[in-house]
Amino acid sequence: EAGVAQSPRYKIIEKRQSVAFWCNPISGHATLYWYQQILGQGPKLLIQFQNNGVVDDSQLPKDRFSAERLKGVDSTLKIQPAKLEDSAVYLCASGQGAAYEQYFGPGTRLTVT
Amino acid sequence: QQQVKQSPQSLIVQKGGISIINCAYENTAFDYFPWYQQFPGKGPALLIAIRPDVSEKKEGRFTISFNKSAKQFSLHIMDSQPGDSATYFCAAGAGSARQLTFGSGTQLTVLP
Repeated sequence: EAGVAQSPRYKIIEKRQSVAFWCNPISGHATLYWYQQILGQGPKLLIQFQNNGVVDDSQLPKDRFSAERLKGVDSTLKIQPAKLEDSAVYLCASGQGAAYEQYFGPGTRLTVT
Repeated sequence: QQQVKQSPQSLIVQKGGISIINCAYENTAFDYFPWYQQFPGKGPALLIAIRPDVSEKKEGRFTISFNKSAKQFSLHIMDSQPGDSATYFCAAGAGSARQLTFGSGTQLTVLP
């Protein structure tokens, strides 16, 4: 079974630029999560999707971050414009809806200079 | 109230020793307590998890001890190996949305 795929793996941008991350969850997983992991900290949930609907985006800085999950499969997370404090690893995870188990992708390491 | 406090921040153990990482929580609505292992450049991977109706769960060299009254749980790694060197995160889950709140992580180094 293929795991959660994410791309790109690394991205370096200047502040005020925009960036987008892509995630392909495990086949059949209805729930998709985006987390932000700042160096030395645990993952922090940004947004949770169930199929193509948003379950929780209360921690998403909506003035600069946006996410979508069209067709209930792949998802993209966008930051526009980026700030220095957005430097982090952005993790995507998927799960089977009613279960707690979450399966993480390798993450995208974003550096904002 | 949603926080999960994890300690220590870093841990160095000799090969063959026991590694112990502790977590504490406040929210009594939490009903799922997993531990994740993360290697550099990789995403966290589920290691072992426990529900609050049991006090201990063991899988191979990994054991979760759970103290519901104290609102604490811990990960014990027996016979620690250099390959166990990684960052370990505790987490707690609650709600119909099945969301997890993660601790701050413990960087474990097992010396050969």
